[in-house]
Amino acid sequence: AQTVTQSQPEMSVQEAETVTLSCTYDTSESDYYLFWYKQPPSRQMILVIRQEAYKQQNATENRFSVNFQKAAKSFSLKISDSQLGDAAMYFCAYLEGYGNKLVFGAGTILRVKS
Amino acid sequence: DTGVSQNPRHKITKRGQNVTFRCDPISEHNRLYWYRQTLGQGPEFLTYFQNEAQLEKSRLLSDRFSAERPKGSFSTLEIQRTEQGDSAMYLCASSLVIGDRNEQFFGPGTRLTVL
Repeated sequence: AQTVTQSQPEMSVQEAETVTLSCTYDTSESDYYLFWYKQPPSRQMILVIRQEAYKQQNATENRFSVNFQKAAKSFSLKISDSQLGDAAMYFCAYLEGYGNKLVFGAGTILRVKS
Repeated sequence: DTGVSQNPRHKITKRGQNVTFRCDPISEHNRLYWYRQTLGQGPEFLTYFQNEAQLEKSRLLSDRFSAERPKGSFSTLEIQRTEQGDSAMYLCASSLVIGDRNEQFFGPGTRLTVL
């Protein structure tokens, strides 16, 4: 079974600074998708960024970018110019190649200090 | 609002009672997923539907749980004879699967508390 590990239960960042959240996963498949989801307190989960495993280029979405290392099975999220609104729980998730269920990590709480 | 909606948002019940949750997916989304999230953890897959067909159920889904998606639109998740261990956030997500693309959009969840 696929597993997703987020080794940082909690991270803090100063407003306007950069922070990196770590994620590793385990799979024997060669074709798959990876995601980062954001879950603000008492609010619904929203998709931050996605990465297709067959693409070597790292995905970027405005201030959010990933460092995808397929051989190392590592998928970290970098948030640049952190804002107070970035404070949330962040989940790394893996999707099987033909799109069934998402397998989530335990999450990382991100706190942004003003 | 054209997002995924879930009702009720909160449900408090006594142990042994039955509860039913509803999820309305984004229109035209052909897949609907149910996940369960306990405090401080990531969501765990329960089951999913492709249109009206239930295609996979997790081993987490005991016999007390049943889900339906009549006519391939909204879905219901029923828990019979609730137990305190059922207390959790129940999340619904929907997606429009095209080829191998499957981006899931989540609803706000139903928080269940079993006393």
